[in-house]
Amino acid sequence: NAGVTQTPKFRILKIGQSMTLQCTQDMNHNYMYWYRQDPGMGLKLIYYSVGAGITDKGEVPNGYNVSRSTTEDFPLRLELAAPSQTSVYFCASGGQGYRYNEQFFGPGTRLTVL
Amino acid sequence: AQSVSQHNHHVILSEAASLELGCNYSYGGTVNLFWYVQYPGQHLQLLLKYFSGDPLVKGIKGFEAEFIKSKFSFNLRKPSVQWSDTAEYFCAVIAKTSYDKVIFGPGTSLSVIP
Repeated sequence: NAGVTQTPKFRILKIGQSMTLQCTQDMNHNYMYWYRQDPGMGLKLIYYSVGAGITDKGEVPNGYNVSRSTTEDFPLRLELAAPSQTSVYFCASGGQGYRYNEQFFGPGTRLTVL
Repeated sequence: AQSVSQHNHHVILSEAASLELGCNYSYGGTVNLFWYVQYPGQHLQLLLKYFSGDPLVKGIKGFEAEFIKSKFSFNLRKPSVQWSDTAEYFCAVIAKTSYDKVIFGPGTSLSVIP
């Protein structure tokens, strides 16, 4: 299994541009998450999904959108990039037993908005 | 709202020194607790977890953590650190009332000097 994969690894955007961060997992997990990691701030939950077709806001959803049309994919969309969205973005997934076991994280996408 | 705090932002230790990283959470009910580690340039991976039973849990690489319910704490310990333990450490909590969400602490950066 590849686990959780994310693309791209790095990206530089100009203010106002848009992009989609891709996330795919091959573990048949129902739960998927998007976090952003800022220095000294830990991980903040942006959006999460408990299954295909179901998404919900996390702690910091403003400026982002998500969709979950399949179990495997959970893309994160930035519509109008702003410097405040410069961060490292992690996608994660968890199975039904994730409350007692681990979330599996992808390698991250480092995004810079100039 | 539930929250997780970690006592130290940055810890610097010499090799063979003992380590204790503090973690406290703000929720009075049942919780599941985790410590994740992020080595430089890598994604987060599970170090250890607690959800019931013996409050002293052992994880990988000689780490252990003690759950003290009365203090809402889940401190991470290691008797003798190595240079390879240099990493960022995150405490995480799942509360029974919000089983869909994992709340992460801000992280503690550990630097071990050879």
